[in-house]
Amino acid sequence: DTEVTQTPKHLVMGMTNKKSLKCEQHMGHRAMYWYKQKAKKPPELMFVYSYEKLSINESVPSRFSPECPNSSLLNLHLHALQPEDSALYLCASSQDRDLTGQPQHFGDGTRLSIL
Amino acid sequence: TQLLEQSPQFLSIQEGENLTVYCNSSSVFSSLQWYRQEPGEGPVLLVTVVTGGEVKKLKRLTFQFGDARKDSSLHITAAQPGDTGLYLCAARGGATNKLIFGTGTLLAVQP
Repeated sequence: DTEVTQTPKHLVMGMTNKKSLKCEQHMGHRAMYWYKQKAKKPPELMFVYSYEKLSINESVPSRFSPECPNSSLLNLHLHALQPEDSALYLCASSQDRDLTGQPQHFGDGTRLSIL
Repeated sequence: TQLLEQSPQFLSIQEGENLTVYCNSSSVFSSLQWYRQEPGEGPVLLVTVVTGGEVKKLKRLTFQFGDARKDSSLHITAAQPGDTGLYLCAARGGATNKLIFGTGTLLAVQP
């Protein structure tokens, strides 16, 4: 079982819907991440939160809006998505953003399909 | 832009065969990680290598970090169907020290 929990596991939404992806970890990690992954490709970094503050935004379109309510929770709010946004969205956490060599712990992802 | 190129991109082998996956870059890294991602799951860390020339063994998996810390390899002995998955090397780099993933190697081990 993964120590990073993501909900929902699957999400189907229309282009006009608003939905949110949720991620939770209780390992005391202070860095949390959102990645987008297309089939058979490596994860692509979207956002990094460090100590509950947004530290990296990889030029992600504004239809994706991250939120970190506290040190254990990370949300990704979705609005007016496009079909090309269909992908697996992975959340990860690590002890600290800047420590070299430490692992990132990944959730099992939310499989998102945009109709 | 720092790139981690993996080869081969795809690999389909029979159970019991040996294989090697390569991860190459023109950049020097202070450490490098290998992850495995099974279908329907997130990536899971297999190993972190830190020292140039370092060799680490994890059961049937052998990991090596190049002397110049620019490349790494993963060797699997007597592959099993449970080894099937996407193998990703990763290293920190760039101005923001973010984790950069390699291009990935998709391995299928047929019973």
